[in-house]
Amino acid sequence: AQSVTQLGSHVSVSEGALVLLRCNYSSSVPPYLFWYVQYPNQGLQLLLKYTTGATLVKGINGFEAEFKKSETSFHLTKPSAHMSDAAEYFCAVSTILTGGGNKLTFGTGTQLKVEL
Amino acid sequence: DAGVIQSPRHEVTEMGQEVTLRCKPISGHDYLFWYRQTMMRGLELLIYFNNNVPIDDSGMPEDRFSAKMPNASFSTLKIQPSEPRDSAVYFCASTLRRADTQYFGPGTRLTVL
Repeated sequence: AQSVTQLGSHVSVSEGALVLLRCNYSSSVPPYLFWYVQYPNQGLQLLLKYTTGATLVKGINGFEAEFKKSETSFHLTKPSAHMSDAAEYFCAVSTILTGGGNKLTFGTGTQLKVEL
Repeated sequence: DAGVIQSPRHEVTEMGQEVTLRCKPISGHDYLFWYRQTMMRGLELLIYFNNNVPIDDSGMPEDRFSAKMPNASFSTLKIQPSEPRDSAVYFCASTLRRADTQYFGPGTRLTVL
């Protein structure tokens, strides 16, 4: 069964500082990996995804993530944090199931706080 | 496109009442998912449909929960009878292909008193 572990339920950074949100996954098959962001009282919005090909993936709002198979990791980074980045971030793994369909398994989320 | 539409956005009801949550997926999407989000359990997949057919309902917590998709543009999640522990935010999501991006609706915040 696939699973996702997000280290650190709360991360606090200063505006302009590097953002690093950690995600490790477990999957018995090549994974598809996603980062979603959730702003207060809103649904989840896709930041970026890795399916195949280039392991460094760029997303919206200046975020990027690198798929490292040897480390089973998919950490999310942004060089310079902005106040508007304050939100909850979810890492997810999706695998295609035998017989059809897929299943998206989410991590527990990391709340990012950006301070002046 | 309007995105995934959910109604109502907020629902407050009393224990024992029937609750129906509604979802309209993005037009043309053939997969629809229902999730529940709570502080204790995070985001959980409840059930998903492919071409209106339920594929995996192993996440549905109890027989009190049921979901239907009578056509490609409408799905319901029903709780009968509702209990206070059902209080959560319920999300609907849709996607065009397997393992592709899931697009989420704004959610329905359910409070059962």
